Order: sequence, then structure tokens, then C-alpha cells
Amino acid sequence: EPEVTQTPSHQVTQMGQEVILRCVPISNHLYFYWYRQILGQKVEFLVSFYNNEISEKSEIFDDQFSVERPDGSNFTLKIRSTKLEDSAMYFCASSEDRAQGQPQHFGDGTRLSIL
Amino acid sequence: SQKIEQNSEALNIQEGKTATLTCNYTNYSPAYLQWYRQDPGRGPVFLLLIRENEKEKRKERLKVTFDTTLKQSLFHITASQPADSATYLCALARNAGNMLTFGGGTRLMVKP
Repeated sequence: EPEVTQTPSHQVTQMGQEVILRCVPISNHLYFYWYRQILGQKVEFLVSFYNNEISEKSEIFDDQFSVERPDGSNFTLKIRSTKLEDSAMYFCASSEDRAQGQPQHFGDGTRLSIL
Repeated sequence: SQKIEQNSEALNIQEGKTATLTCNYTNYSPAYLQWYRQDPGRGPVFLLLIRENEKEKRKERLKVTFDTTLKQSLFHITASQPADSATYLCALARNAGNMLTFGGGTRLMVKP
């Protein structure tokens, strides 16, 4: 079965540095998402992306964050000037299209640790 | 403010019994509700979707109900197995798009 793949599985970064988290969504999917899960807390929506632009974003997704689809297969989340509180599991997800209620297929996440 | 609550952080049941998990929400008018399974260290896996105009959905041993008056969804696993042990998440979406808001999850342990 097709999968969403995320790299790296674990990223350790010094506070203040920039990180790029990478995702390869399922190949025929058109709608992409990033979520995060701080340890022991709920999965939280960050942003959705469709047709090369942001579709929705949450309050968490401020100017520190950006997303990009640099080519036909990758979908990236960039976090500038990382803070300790950015430490979390970051999940990428994709769905076939933007029709309401489409199942979202999640990757296994990147664990981001900010030191 | 909007709240999504799932009953108890953990639910322990005996193999073969029916597990019933609850998702309650307030100050929210979801267009649909989804249930996901999450295993430790893994991403959520989609299980079932139910829309606001549907009362019940089934898939194999799984059943979901949705009561928009009570603002509640129930998720049932019949003939539970140890392999069903995982955290189960409910997630709601409003009419405007596919942004999911997740509950905190219920950790289910099925004992042999």
C-alpha cells in the first residue's frame, strides 16, 4: 500500500538554527498537511497546502514556519530560528483531493529535538 | 472555546469483549468526524469517517455512531483482540476545508 514517507526520523538541532523537515506524500495525492504532536499532548494542525499554495493555517503556523513543494514529489516544512518549545513530533499527511472528509494518510513523523 | 474530549485516558478490557470509546465536543458544528488509530511512535492511521447527516457507520468489527444533538460520537470495537491495543483518536472538521481538530485520544489495552 502506498505510504507517506518522512525524513529524517529524528532531528536534533541547536536553538536558533533552521530546520527543514521533508515529506514525500502519496504520489497521486493533491492535498498536503503538516501536524505536530508535543510529547503527551494532542495532535495539532499546522497547515494545509493545495495547488502550490497554503489552503488553511492555524495560529501555531506563524512567520517562523513555511512550507514548500520544491518539486513533484517532496513537501517540506521549514522552521526558522527554532525555539525549545518547537520540540515535538511533526507529522506530514496527504489526501487524494480537497473534497470534504477525505481520509488523511499520515507518515510516521519526524521527532524534532531542540537543545 | 471549542473542546473535544475523549473518555478516560486509558481503557482496559478483556479479549472478546466490546470496547466502547467516547468522543464529546462543545462549541463546535462539525461537518464530519473521523476516527484514527495511533500506535506508539507511529503516525495516525485512518479508520472510519461519519458525516453529520449519518447516524451510524460500520466496517468489519468497527462501528461508529454520531449524535449531533448530544454532540457525541461513540466508537465500538466488537470481539476485541490484543492486536486492537492502541490509542484511538477522534478528529473533527468544520465545513471550511479539511483541517482536523483532534481529541486527546483514548489508550485501549485488550488483555488476553
